Amino acid sequence: GAVVSQHPSRVICKSGTSVKIECRSLDFQATTMFWYRQFPKKSLMLMATSNEGSKATYEQGVEKDKFLINHASLTLSTLTVTSAHPEDSSFYICSAIPQSSYEQYFGPGTRLTVT
Amino acid sequence: DAKTTQPPSMDCAEGRAANLPCNHSTISGNEYVYWYRQIHSQGPQYIIHGLKNNETNEMASLIITEDRKSSTLILPHATLRDTAVYYCIVRGATSGTYKYIFGTGTRLKVLA
Repeated sequence: GAVVSQHPSRVICKSGTSVKIECRSLDFQATTMFWYRQFPKKSLMLMATSNEGSKATYEQGVEKDKFLINHASLTLSTLTVTSAHPEDSSFYICSAIPQSSYEQYFGPGTRLTVT
Repeated sequence: DAKTTQPPSMDCAEGRAANLPCNHSTISGNEYVYWYRQIHSQGPQYIIHGLKNNETNEMASLIITEDRKSSTLILPHATLRDTAVYYCIVRGATSGTYKYIFGTGTRLKVLA
């Protein structure tokens, strides 16, 4: 149980385009999901907290207009990287908290490469 | 900033116990200690968590000191597949404090 998926697993896009990453909780409902990014050989950095039906809460230094988060249902949150640049290339990981639980379950990650 | 500090790397011989320390000296009374690990290019995997008492599950044991300022994750019989980065995280117990702040973790290498 408590499986989280991400789609796509890898994506390559051209500079200036936008790319959407989906995070789904497959066997539970999640009112709260989180988005992280991770650079090579570095730790995970929390980008934002995504709450179903309300606006996401962004961490300091994360541009909300660049990283659009939508949490339209209890099983799906999306992260859209707008006007992507090569420096946005990173490993993006989501996590979800089941209702009546506190543990975060992580997705497998999405490798974004901007050329 | 992360509330935990861990050694950057450790080696362990296959079949031996791996003891990974974590310092969380500023932990509050209602905060939990969580351990996750991340194998290369994958999402973090939950291992174990605890509040005050020592905990054991099929993967590992968690020893928390009496003053709760530090803990040790024990992998009793390390295998090559346990090679990963291990993260110790302190998590709040109230709504709004569930978020994880990852530290640098410990890169464990299990040697054949």
